[in-house]
Amino acid sequence: ETGVTQSPTHLIKTRGQQVTLRCSSQSGHNTVSWYQQALGQGPQFIFQYYREEENGRGNFPPRFSGLQFPNYSSELNVNALELDDSALYLCASSADRVSYEQYFGPGTRLTVT
Amino acid sequence: EDQVTQSPEALRLQEGESSSLNCSYTVSGLRGLFWYRQDPGKGPEFLFTLYSAGEEKEKERLKATLTKKESFLHITAPKPEDSATYLCAVEASNFGNEKLTFGTGTRLTIIP
Repeated sequence: ETGVTQSPTHLIKTRGQQVTLRCSSQSGHNTVSWYQQALGQGPQFIFQYYREEENGRGNFPPRFSGLQFPNYSSELNVNALELDDSALYLCASSADRVSYEQYFGPGTRLTVT
Repeated sequence: EDQVTQSPEALRLQEGESSSLNCSYTVSGLRGLFWYRQDPGKGPEFLFTLYSAGEEKEKERLKATLTKKESFLHITAPKPEDSATYLCAVEASNFGNEKLTFGTGTRLTIIP
């Protein structure tokens, strides 16, 4: 067990809706990263937060946004859902911004219909 | 742009049959290369970090090695419980952008 938790486990949404996914990082980890993993693919980097500020972003549109809170929790928000947003969403925490080891949560499976 | 290529895509082995998984990479300054194990529907589980060419790390039946262009994950006398997808990822040494770039993984099946 890594100590990283995510909720909900599964979620079904309709195209055009908005969704919020939540992550609780391992205690003491002040860096959180979010990844999108499509079926049969490796995880793709969405963005990273360090001490509540965005610290790098992958090739995802602005409708993907995030927040990090002082209590080691974070959120991923996706607006105007599209069918291609269906994927496993993973958060990973690390001890600091230059820590080389990221520990992943179990993921949230999002299905957009 | 950082790239990671894993081969083979899928590998079926008999229990006890040793083999190796390959991860080749191109990155502008390697900070670290990571191996993860992922079971279906679950998050990746951290296995190893390798930092420099020539480094090796071992854990039970797994051994990871690193050169300047690729990494190998050697599996010795595997058991059915080693069946999983093995992911390789790299982190570049670009300060302020500490992201992992993943390959698509090798799906390993160990047949009893």
